[in-house]
Amino acid sequence: SQQGEEDPQALSIQEGENATMNCSYKTSINNLQWYRQNSGRGLVHLILIRSNEREKHSGRLRVTLDTSKKSSSLLITASRAADTASYFCATDDANQFYFGTGTSLTVIP
Amino acid sequence: ETGVTQTPRHLVMGMTNKKSLKCEQHLGHNAMYWYKQSAKKPLELMFVYSLEERVENNSVPSRFSPECPNSSHLFLHLHTLQPEDSALYLCASSQVGQGGPQHFGDGTRLSIL
Repeated sequence: SQQGEEDPQALSIQEGENATMNCSYKTSINNLQWYRQNSGRGLVHLILIRSNEREKHSGRLRVTLDTSKKSSSLLITASRAADTASYFCATDDANQFYFGTGTSLTVIP
Repeated sequence: ETGVTQTPRHLVMGMTNKKSLKCEQHLGHNAMYWYKQSAKKPLELMFVYSLEERVENNSVPSRFSPECPNSSHLFLHLHTLQPEDSALYLCASSQVGQGGPQHFGDGTRLSIL
């Protein structure tokens, strides 16, 4: 399977704490993307990291990529209740995107 | 996010009905996608139209039939569906060749009675 797999499946933290989610994949990639999905809504793109990059930042988000281990991590710092959502990684292969089952993050106020 | 619009948002239909889901993108993208999202399962890529050409997905049952009349519009025609087809159906668009992100609509929640 080409899809990414997120870990853990569910994560519950207190507001202000950091949240870390991991993604593993099986094939070579052009890039890896992280998305967020709020309940009842579509997925929203958060950040893209290319295969030749190792780390990328966007606001409170930090993404790392280790192509030798075929893994990526998403760190959300200083979490807020509004960060409660499901988070997905997606790999891009010839303009087709493969998603995992996601990590469900709950941030408790 | 108003770049990709899906209608209807909710649909309840019997197994013998015929209905269509509609997706419209206002982003000038040249690729559109249908996904199926079921609980506890990975997002399933159903169909891809890239540069207005359809990329086949032989694992999708023939009771699902896509149509892409132009680069801005995408339909999913449904007929004689099964209860296991109940799911959230998401449409997305992207710009082929730039390795960029996909933009999603808010989906159609489909329930098969």
